[in-house]
Amino acid sequence: AQSVTQLDSQVPVFEEAPVELRCNYSSSVSVYLFWYVQYPNQGLQLLLKYLSGSTLVESINGFEAEFNKSQTSFHLRKPSVHISDTAEYFCAVRHSGGGADGLTFGKGTHLIIQP
Amino acid sequence: ETGVTQSPTHLIKTRGQQVTLRCSSQSGHNTVSWYQQALGQGPQFIFQYYREEENGRGNFPPRFSGLQFPNYSSELNVNALELDDSALYLCASSLGRDVQFFGPGTRLTVL
Repeated sequence: AQSVTQLDSQVPVFEEAPVELRCNYSSSVSVYLFWYVQYPNQGLQLLLKYLSGSTLVESINGFEAEFNKSQTSFHLRKPSVHISDTAEYFCAVRHSGGGADGLTFGKGTHLIIQP
Repeated sequence: ETGVTQSPTHLIKTRGQQVTLRCSSQSGHNTVSWYQQALGQGPQFIFQYYREEENGRGNFPPRFSGLQFPNYSSELNVNALELDDSALYLCASSLGRDVQFFGPGTRLTVL
């Protein structure tokens, strides 16, 4: 079984400031890692994913996340946030082995951008 | 290419009733997963269907059941509704174990 901990339920940041949203996971097997974003009254949108290869993954809108196996972390960062980044961010894991599975999500971090 | 769609958008039921939620998967996807997202929480995995068969289940009781049809669309059925079933129900489709793409969700309120 896996679990995901998002240490901060809310992160207030001023516009154009950098931000880091923390995610730690626990699993006895190899995992794939994901960040999803949820805007108000909408479903989840995939932001970025780590499946294999380079431990640093980037999204098209300036976010990046780094898989750190020794620290079992997958923190999300952006060097300069915009008002439009205000949303709920969810970290998720899935075991990389075969067979059926679902995503295990953290409780989410609400990113609040202040002008 | 159409994305994942869900119906209805909102639904109000009373305790003890039964409900059916529907999901149309993204074109080319053969796998559908259902999640329950309670207010202020992350989504929780209910079950997954692959080629019309249940392919994995989370920690939900048997009164949560589902179907997947030959066109890969899916239904989630919940019997004997309880107040705690009030939540946003999310459907996600994928091609096998590839990345899951989510629909907008169905907001279920149980009174």
